[in-house]
Amino acid sequence: NAGVTQTPKFQVLKTGQSMTLQCAQDMNHNSMYWYRQDPGMGLRLIYYSASEGTTDKGEVPNGYNVSRLNKREFSLRLESAAPSQTSVYFCASHLSQGLAGGVKETQYFGPGTRLLVL
Amino acid sequence: QQPVQSPQAVILREGEDAVINCSSSKALYSVHWYRQKHGEAPVFLMILLKGGEQKGHEKISASFNEKKQQSSLYLTASQLSYSGTYFCGTVPGYQKVTFGTGTKLQVIP
Repeated sequence: NAGVTQTPKFQVLKTGQSMTLQCAQDMNHNSMYWYRQDPGMGLRLIYYSASEGTTDKGEVPNGYNVSRLNKREFSLRLESAAPSQTSVYFCASHLSQGLAGGVKETQYFGPGTRLLVL
Repeated sequence: QQPVQSPQAVILREGEDAVINCSSSKALYSVHWYRQKHGEAPVFLMILLKGGEQKGHEKISASFNEKKQQSSLYLTASQLSYSGTYFCGTVPGYQKVTFGTGTKLQVIP
């Protein structure tokens, strides 16, 4: 059970280049998210997917596209990278469980992708 | 709009207690709490839903005041392993988490 995995771990791009960040989870979670974290800052939601086949914009979607390929995988694409997109990108998945005592919710993060755009 | 956390930073000696506050300008469905160590991914600590309080992790608990749109994280008898940056995440709508400004906690021997 690997949890949430992300590839690549590090990437350097030149302005205008494109790339896709990959994320996969093996926990059968319905919801998946992409966040970015700039140095010394909190996380900002780029896009999320509440279930397979659906995606929605978060706080900072401009310059990004996403694809929820299946329940396991949620990819983030930068079509034309800009220096302002230099950041650490985290993928996360969310579990909501109905239990006898109520609802239990947890969110798991991948290890992150460090992206530098020159 | 980003929730505001206070304090921004705190230094504790092992065994001391701390409270971290999170305040939102929007009505909330739930509040999440996370801890992030330097260079690592955030780790989910707990979630508080409207009308509930959840103890989730070690000697860490939290409360959620829906009317005031505030949540507080309580760390008791702090350990060195508690060091890191704590983020609250507020959820005004279904599953869209907005993260707070962060509180840097350092526990020293």
